Amino acid sequence: DVKVTQSSRYLVKRTGEKVFLECVQDMDHENMFWYRQDPGLGLRLIYFSYDVKMKEKGDIPEGYSVSREKKERFSLILESASTNQTSMYLCASRGGWGAEAKNIQYFGAGTRLSVL
Amino acid sequence: AQKVTQAQTEISVVEKEDVTLDCVYETRDTTYYLFWYKQPPSGELVFLIRRNSFDEQNEISGRYSWNFQKSTSSFNFTITASQVVDSAVYFCALSEHQTGTASKLTFGTGTRLQVTL
Repeated sequence: DVKVTQSSRYLVKRTGEKVFLECVQDMDHENMFWYRQDPGLGLRLIYFSYDVKMKEKGDIPEGYSVSREKKERFSLILESASTNQTSMYLCASRGGWGAEAKNIQYFGAGTRLSVL
Repeated sequence: AQKVTQAQTEISVVEKEDVTLDCVYETRDTTYYLFWYKQPPSGELVFLIRRNSFDEQNEISGRYSWNFQKSTSSFNFTITASQVVDSAVYFCALSEHQTGTASKLTFGTGTRLQVTL
């Protein structure tokens, strides 16, 4: 079974703090993703990475950055947290297009971040 | 641009009722993939099904069934004889076939299903 692990389930931070959200997958997947989930808006893609040190902006990258130094780990960074970044953050990983992987994204349990 | 619409925000049913969750999508691509995910209260999105645009066969898996109709751009999900454990938020999603870089999933806003005794 694919396992995607997010380091924290709940985080409370202060405005202006630098926040790191960590995600680790154990399936040697090339592709990893960060989403945020807000009521009534569904999941929105923040950033994704298709290889080590490679990243691309998603639909809402403003205020965020990412780091992928190792294949299994993808970090989301809030350089200076703001209250409008209070949300649920979900990490996902995906293999390739082969019959086995089938382009399916597998998700972690999420990190609920509150910025006060 | 691709778009997924789940018009039903919340549905409440009594256990053993059948329930259908609607999903309508928009895309200009001829090759694309449709997905359904379940998000129980624990928060993790659980993959349920993937369909490619060339396969319009309906699929049944136990109490779950999916109806894919390209003519109406819909990919509806039916739970037969619902159970309390089916209570969750269900997301429909769409991805294009893009090689070279990671293809992205576009999600609908989700339908919250509440099954009561």
